[in-house]
Amino acid sequence: QVQLQESGPGLVKPSETLSLTCAVSGYSISSAYYWGWIRQPPGKGLEWIASIYGSGSTYYNPSLKSRVTISVDTSKNQFSLKLSSVTAADMAVYYCVRHPPAITVVTYWGQGTLVTVSS
Amino acid sequence: DIQLTQSPSFLSASVGDRVTITCRASQGISSFLAWYQQKPGKAPKLLIYEASTLQSGVPSRFSGRGSGTDFTLTISSLQPEDFATYYCQQLNTYPLTFGGGTKVEIK
Repeated sequence: QVQLQESGPGLVKPSETLSLTCAVSGYSISSAYYWGWIRQPPGKGLEWIASIYGSGSTYYNPSLKSRVTISVDTSKNQFSLKLSSVTAADMAVYYCVRHPPAITVVTYWGQGTLVTVSS
Repeated sequence: DIQLTQSPSFLSASVGDRVTITCRASQGISSFLAWYQQKPGKAPKLLIYEASTLQSGVPSRFSGRGSGTDFTLTISSLQPEDFATYYCQQLNTYPLTFGGGTKVEIK
C-alpha cells in the first residue's frame, strides 16, 4: 500500500522560504512514477505546483517556477518542495502526490499539511 | 495553459436525484480528463480517469463522458455520502490544471 506523508513547519514568515518533505512508504520513489505537490488555499480550488521523476526529471508550474524547487532523495525515499519569498497568497494546504508519467492522473495523495504565512 | 471551466459551481440536490456536472476545456484534450471528489478536511479522491474509466472501488452510480473540450460527470442516484466538492483535471499537458470545483449540497 503506497502511503505519502507530508512534514514541515506549519508557520512561515512572509518573504521566507517554505520547505516541505514527503515521505513515501510502500513503493520505491526511484521507480516509474512522478512525485509532485499540489496546493489548495483555504476554501479555494486545487493548484499543481511541480512534479519530479525518480531520475530527477522535473516539471514546474510556470506561475510559480521562479520560486519553486522540487528535489528527490532516493536514499531516504522522500521528496521535497521549497517555495521562496512566500506571501499570504501562499497560505494553503499542501498535498504531496503520485502520478504516472504518461497519463497524469493523481492516484495517491498525502493527507495534506496546512502552511500558514504570518509574521 | 489549458483552462477548465466547471459548471455549475454550486448545486443543491436531494438524495436519489440524478446530478450532472460539466467541465469545459479551453482547447481539445481528447479524453485526457479526470474527476475527483473531495470532502471537507480530506484529500481529493480519484473517481474517473480518461474521461470515462471508473477507478477501482468507485460505485457504478458515477459515470463520465466526453472528449475534446466538453465533459460531464453524472451521479445517477445521489447518495448521502456523495455530498462533496467535485473537481475535473486535464491529463493532457503540463502544467496540470484543475477546474474550479462544483460543490454538491443537500437540498
